[in-house]
Amino acid sequence: QVQLQESGPGLVKPSETLSLTCTVSGGSIGSDYWSWVRQPPGKGLEWIGYIYYSGSTNYNPSLKSRVTISVDTSKNQFSLKLSSVTAADTAVYYCARASYIVVVKAAMLWFDPWGQGTLVTVSS
Amino acid sequence: QAVLTQPPSVSAAPGQKVTISCSGSSSNIGNHYVSWYQQLPGTAPKLLIYENNKRPSGIPDRFSGSKSGTSATLGITGLQTGDEADYYCGTWDSSLSAGVFGGGTKLTVL
Repeated sequence: QVQLQESGPGLVKPSETLSLTCTVSGGSIGSDYWSWVRQPPGKGLEWIGYIYYSGSTNYNPSLKSRVTISVDTSKNQFSLKLSSVTAADTAVYYCARASYIVVVKAAMLWFDPWGQGTLVTVSS
Repeated sequence: QAVLTQPPSVSAAPGQKVTISCSGSSSNIGNHYVSWYQQLPGTAPKLLIYENNKRPSGIPDRFSGSKSGTSATLGITGLQTGDEADYYCGTWDSSLSAGVFGGGTKLTVL
């Protein structure tokens, strides 16, 4: 079965770029959507965006100007870059496989499975 | 401020039934499908329900989902202490062109 694992620095300085990678094992990254979701400490979930294995992306409008999600099919990995971070970007960052299907203008979007999550703290 | 509205907390006794509501609008729940997630303390969210009322393999039928208009409901029967967790609803929002979640509901099994 597919498993996901996030990796990257746990501490990022303000104004710098947060970079995380998600490694997919137990299956191919091809033919699916892949997503990032974050959760500030003690708060709810926030969708960051998704990427299709072919490279097309869709980002949360609230983060769009700062977010880049990319995919490397040769390594079975996808990545997140979030620029100009502030303390408000401190969160547990999860990667997840996304299912996104549109049927007669009705969208189905769900996330399964999820990685274990990685805490990224923004602090000097 | 989450786009979808959930009660902050619900509680019930072991063996009883509980429902968790998720309220939205025509741009999200009203015209798109809803999913539900369980987040046990200190762990990643886990998919419970997708496409409003379908359960992934391995999810017991004690968990059910429904949708009516711009609201959705997660039902849990035969409550167990192991069901104590945070529960989140999610869907697509066509006005935002984004995935959205509810603020989460903490379930306490008394």
